[in-house]
Amino acid sequence: GNSVTQMEGPVTLSEEAFLTINCTYTATGYPSLFWYVQYPGEGLQLLLKATKADDKGSNKGFEATYRKETTSFHLEKGSVQVSDSAVYFCALIPSNDYKLSFGAGTTVTVRA
Amino acid sequence: KAGVTQTPRYLIKTRGQQVTLSCSPISGHRSVSWYQQTPGQGLQFLFEYFSETQRNKGNFPGRFSGRQFSNSRSEMNVSTLELGDSALYLCASSLDGTETGYGYTFGSGTRLTVV
Repeated sequence: GNSVTQMEGPVTLSEEAFLTINCTYTATGYPSLFWYVQYPGEGLQLLLKATKADDKGSNKGFEATYRKETTSFHLEKGSVQVSDSAVYFCALIPSNDYKLSFGAGTTVTVRA
Repeated sequence: KAGVTQTPRYLIKTRGQQVTLSCSPISGHRSVSWYQQTPGQGLQFLFEYFSETQRNKGNFPGRFSGRQFSNSRSEMNVSTLELGDSALYLCASSLDGTETGYGYTFGSGTRLTVV
């Protein structure tokens, strides 16, 4: 079946530190890959996406590259801010399906 | 444009009761999906509707049901509530659900507490 595995948190960083959250997936075919972010008390917001191998998604200083050879979609940001404190979810949609499969989520806390 | 609207934001119900949650998608979006989020199980897919038809269903008991109206608004119903149904229920909409990488737009969710 389809599944997403992301690194467990929580992750605590200082402001301006480098952030990376690992995500690997299992899926048939060529899924679309996503990172969603959830702030306290809110729903999910799409952070970035990639639809085919070697695509790089980017938004708000975050980046992730679709690596088919390693079935990975790691999220990175070079310099985090306190406002980046949130829960981050890696997700996929298979090419023949309509539902998102999510990873367990990684809680990130950035301290000033 | 307006985002995905879920009502109510918070609900407290008693075991054995039933509940109906509502979701209004982004104007023009015809696909609506529902997800349950709990600390223990994470985000789990409930069902997806497109043009009033359920196209996909997750592994939830029959107490969980949904429907979609001609204006694309959707409701989900949970009957005979159990304590374990306490969760954040998220609705997401997309143009047509055939993902070409646009992703779904999520609402803020309905927080259901069963006591």
